[in-house]
Amino acid sequence: AQRVTQPEKLLSVFKGAPVELKCNYSYSGSPELFWYVQYSRQRLQLLLRHISRESIKGFTADLNKGETSFHLKKPFAQEEDSAMYYCALGNAGNMLTFGGGTRLMVKP
Amino acid sequence: DTGVSQNPRHKITKRGQNVTFRCDPISEHNRLYWYRQTLGQGPEFLTYFQNEAQLEKSRLLSDRFSAERPKGSFSTLEIQRTEQGDSAMYLCASSPMWTGNTEAFFGQGTRLTVV
Repeated sequence: AQRVTQPEKLLSVFKGAPVELKCNYSYSGSPELFWYVQYSRQRLQLLLRHISRESIKGFTADLNKGETSFHLKKPFAQEEDSAMYYCALGNAGNMLTFGGGTRLMVKP
Repeated sequence: DTGVSQNPRHKITKRGQNVTFRCDPISEHNRLYWYRQTLGQGPEFLTYFQNEAQLEKSRLLSDRFSAERPKGSFSTLEIQRTEQGDSAMYLCASSPMWTGNTEAFFGQGTRLTVV
């Protein structure tokens, strides 16, 4: 069975501080991992995917198969980064398994 | 707005009533998904269509739930004999088959409250 765990429900940091949102997964196959973000009053949207190895809005995430992790990082948080962040695991059937989400609050 | 559209946005119903939600995906997207999200949780997969074929159903989808996508375009999700435990946000998502990955584009959801 596949599972995604986000251990922190809430992460609060000051503007300019580094941010790391943790994500661990359990999957027997080759994982396809994503970070989705939901800003206030907006729909859930893709932030980044591991296969692209890209940086979006200053965020990066590296897949660590040994530790089964896909942590999301940003060196300097901005107030506009405040949102709900969901880590998700995709399988061959194209369904997504989501973690419980982490609310990031960036204080001025 | 050319994104995924869901109607209604909010629905309040009495326990035992039937409700139906509609999802209009992005027009060229072959794949359509339904998810349910309860307070404080991430979305949970319910079911998935490729064109008009329903290819996967979660065990969360009890016999009271049925989903259709008759012409491979819009989809409906019906809940019969609603229970208070059905109160949740119901999310629809779509994706194009050719992307080779599972990026999904989500609608804004239908919030169901069963009283």
